Amino acid sequence: KQEVTQIPAALSVPEGENLVLNCSFTDSAIYNLQWFRQDPGKGLTSLLLIQSSQREQTSGRLNASLDKSSGRSTLYIAASQPGDSATYLCAVRTDSWGKFQFGAGTQVVVTP
Amino acid sequence: DAMVIQNPRYQVTQFGKPVTLSCSQTLNHNVMYWYQQKSSQAPKLLFHYYDKDFNNEADTPDNFQSRRPNTSFCFLDIRSPGLGDAAMYLCATVETGGSNQPQHFGDGTRLSIL
Repeated sequence: KQEVTQIPAALSVPEGENLVLNCSFTDSAIYNLQWFRQDPGKGLTSLLLIQSSQREQTSGRLNASLDKSSGRSTLYIAASQPGDSATYLCAVRTDSWGKFQFGAGTQVVVTP
Repeated sequence: DAMVIQNPRYQVTQFGKPVTLSCSQTLNHNVMYWYQQKSSQAPKLLFHYYDKDFNNEADTPDNFQSRRPNTSFCFLDIRSPGLGDAAMYLCATVETGGSNQPQHFGDGTRLSIL
């Protein structure tokens, strides 16, 4: 059974510092990996999706890498801002019909 | 424009009183999901519909049921809510043609049990 882990569960950084968020998964047979942002009391907002054949994806200050062989993905957020404070979750798609397995998330606080 | 819409945003019900949560989508995606998310936990898949085919997870309580009358709408019914069912309920969709399609989520319904 696929298991997805995000460590640490929480971190706090000063504004301007780069953020590095980790996601590990146990089974490399994935279709894709998606990073989400969740604000308190809200749903999930998709940030980036990396297909299994890709190594990285970029969108603005965000860059996500994927290493399937080691079961790892990393989300980099450059020059963090207080507005980046949120919980970040990763999810891997494990089936052809679209089953996703989620990590529990990393709660990020960016202090001014 | 919201593409996955959940109503209501907040729902309060009494212990044991049936409740229905709704989800609609404008994306015409073939798969719809219901997740339960408790504080600081990963979303837990309850059901999914692949077109009209219904699939529930093995550990989804019998207390939970779902309906998808058409492509656009999906409902979650909780027949006799217990205190442990208080959670955020998330609806999501995906188009499964290809591995480059992201999941889209609604804003969720926060369910409280009195």
